[in-house]
Amino acid sequence: DAGVIQSPRHEVTEMGQEVTLRCKPISGHDYLFWYRQTMMRGLELLIYFNNNVPIDDSGMPEDRFSAKMPNASFSTLKIQPSEPRDSAVYFCASSSGYEQYFGPGTRLTVT
Amino acid sequence: RKEVEQDPGPFNVPEGATVAFNCTYSNSASQSFFWYRQDCRKEPKLLMSVYSSGNEDGRFTAQLNRASQYISLLIRDSKLSDSATYLCVVFTGGGNKLTFGTGTQLKVEL
Repeated sequence: DAGVIQSPRHEVTEMGQEVTLRCKPISGHDYLFWYRQTMMRGLELLIYFNNNVPIDDSGMPEDRFSAKMPNASFSTLKIQPSEPRDSAVYFCASSSGYEQYFGPGTRLTVT
Repeated sequence: RKEVEQDPGPFNVPEGATVAFNCTYSNSASQSFFWYRQDCRKEPKLLMSVYSSGNEDGRFTAQLNRASQYISLLIRDSKLSDSATYLCVVFTGGGNKLTFGTGTQLKVEL
C-alpha cells in the first residue's frame, strides 16, 4: 500500500514568493496533520483536519500560512508570501487511530 | 514549561551497550504515550506504544510512571542501526492530536 505522499520533496524559493505544499493521505484515514520541523523548535503541529474539516489551527504561525483539504485524498499548505524563517521540513501525516503515518516531508528553503 | 521534555543528547554508546532515555510530560491528564524513531533526514515512525504495565519488543523496553509523569525507553545490546533520534510522544485528548518531544539523539559506535 502507498504511504502518505508529499510533493514536492524539495523546494527552493525566493522571499516573497508563494509556496504550495501538497499531501495525499493514506486511503481510509480520517485525520490529516501538517507539521513543521526545525532544529531549534523540533516538530510543531501547524493544523489538523478530521474528515476534511479543520479542527485546530492554533499552531499556524501567522496569516501567511493557510491550509485546505478539499477532499479526503488531498490537502495543501500554502505560504504567501514566504520568508527565510519559513525554511524547514514540512511533514504531512495521516491516521485513523493514535498511530500517525508520516510522509517523507518537503524540505523548504526560502532565500 | 514544555509539554514534553527530553534530553537532546547525543548519547554516544558502543555497540552492545545498554542505553536508557527518559522523557517527562507536564499534563497529568495525558492518556497515551509512544516512542517514535526518526532517522536522519527521514520522517518519524512509530517505534512502540507505552503501557502502564510496561512493555517489551525485542531489545526495546518502554515504561510509564504516571505518578512521576515520566516515560522511559531502554535499548539493550545496541546495534549500529539503532542510531537515530528517539521522539517521546504524548496524547492528551482532543481529536488524535499528539504532542512530540524534541527528541534524544543516539549514536551507536563500533
